[in-house]
Amino acid sequence: DQQVKQNSPSLSVQEGRISILNCDYTNSMFDYFLWYKKYPAEGPTFLISISSIKDKNEDGRFTVFLNKSAKHLSLHIVPSQPGDSAVYFCAASAHGAGSYQLTFGKGTKLSVIP
Amino acid sequence: DARVTQTPRHKVTEMGQEVTMRCQPILGHNTVFWYRQTMMQGLELLAYFRNRAPLDDSGMPKDRFSAEMPDATLATLKIQPSEPRDSAVYFCASVFVGTEAFFGQGTRLTVV
Repeated sequence: DQQVKQNSPSLSVQEGRISILNCDYTNSMFDYFLWYKKYPAEGPTFLISISSIKDKNEDGRFTVFLNKSAKHLSLHIVPSQPGDSAVYFCAASAHGAGSYQLTFGKGTKLSVIP
Repeated sequence: DARVTQTPRHKVTEMGQEVTMRCQPILGHNTVFWYRQTMMQGLELLAYFRNRAPLDDSGMPKDRFSAEMPDATLATLKIQPSEPRDSAVYFCASVFVGTEAFFGQGTRLTVV
């Protein structure tokens, strides 16, 4: 039973437009959410995070939105650049329960077309 | 430049052989994770340690996999005997409580 789901395996976006990556979760104990970016032959790298006490966190071109009632989060990239082409993983943990274990979704491959 | 270091980067082995993967977490990080990435399952948690003590290894096939942290600078993941279905990329990550996890570059294992 997948606790973190990324239902879109892939997404293609034109350079300069907005990329929206979605993630759903089922475990109500999750209170900290992260997005990781992964290039081929490299490990995932941290991109942005959000605590459940917030509904939005912004860092440059990247914004993460959290809708707790819907158990849904999304990552917006504006404007998208070809260098953003990578696999994006959504992850969640239950910090309030003392756990820093990350549960990952299966990833969404983003392709930004020049 | 603090980073998680994994060795080897690539390993090809025959079925039935023992495989040992090593991880050097970032100095000062007290929590270490082992993840496995496959096409079908994405990133699966195999085991994790805090202050060198195993906290959860429920994701590991116990009959063939073992994970240890002999000291604060080394985590190991062993597979004995290895099987073709173990072929995957194995990632180690370390965390200092309250910060995000940092991943190594992974060990790509191929069992033939």
